[in-house]
Amino acid sequence: DGGITQSPKYLFRKEGQNVTLSCEQNLNHDAMYWYRQDPGQGLRLIYYSQIVNDFQKGDIAEGYSVSREKKESFPLTVTSAQKNPTAFYLCASSITRTGANYGYTFGSGTRLTVV
Amino acid sequence: AQKVTQAQTEISVVEKEDVTLDCVYETRDTTYYLFWYKQPPSGELVFLIRRNSFDEQNEISGRYSWNFQKSTSSFNFTITASQVVDSAVYFCALRPSGTYKYIFGTGTRLKVLA
Repeated sequence: DGGITQSPKYLFRKEGQNVTLSCEQNLNHDAMYWYRQDPGQGLRLIYYSQIVNDFQKGDIAEGYSVSREKKESFPLTVTSAQKNPTAFYLCASSITRTGANYGYTFGSGTRLTVV
Repeated sequence: AQKVTQAQTEISVVEKEDVTLDCVYETRDTTYYLFWYKQPPSGELVFLIRRNSFDEQNEISGRYSWNFQKSTSSFNFTITASQVVDSAVYFCALRPSGTYKYIFGTGTRLKVLA
């Protein structure tokens, strides 16, 4: 079955460390997105990518970086510059950017905790 | 400004009761898309419905129904005869045409008690 796989499900980071969250999709979707979810808040866009080797900043990109070397993969790195990284991170995809008019497919998320 | 407001933070109902989740949106665009997603405890958001701004027909899907009213900028979601499995956080989202992102509401946590 096609879908989005996020790993790990839970991740613990020490202060000052960089960590990378994995997102893989086998839906043949061109566009991929990273959202951050905090308690009591809606989802906020971190980065998005319309095609391979291209990505744009979303609303809260500071302290994060991404790459899109393969269509299937869109990893997110949370750097030490991100001052408050504890959150639930969701990866999503759509057929194309305009295909997002028809809805996203979401992964099951990674819960990141700073210890 | 573009915004989605879900004023109900948490709702608790007893099984078999009907419940309506409210969603009010703001946009100046004439073309836009509205969505509802369900987030069960497992975490992933599950697509429920999409509406474009030109389609004000209400929709019913089993126990779920949606009431889209442009005059009041609302897109409310009703669950009839709620079940425990309906317990989740429900998000309403707006996607203005030509933009790359969704604007999500803050979500409504629904608890259905047996």
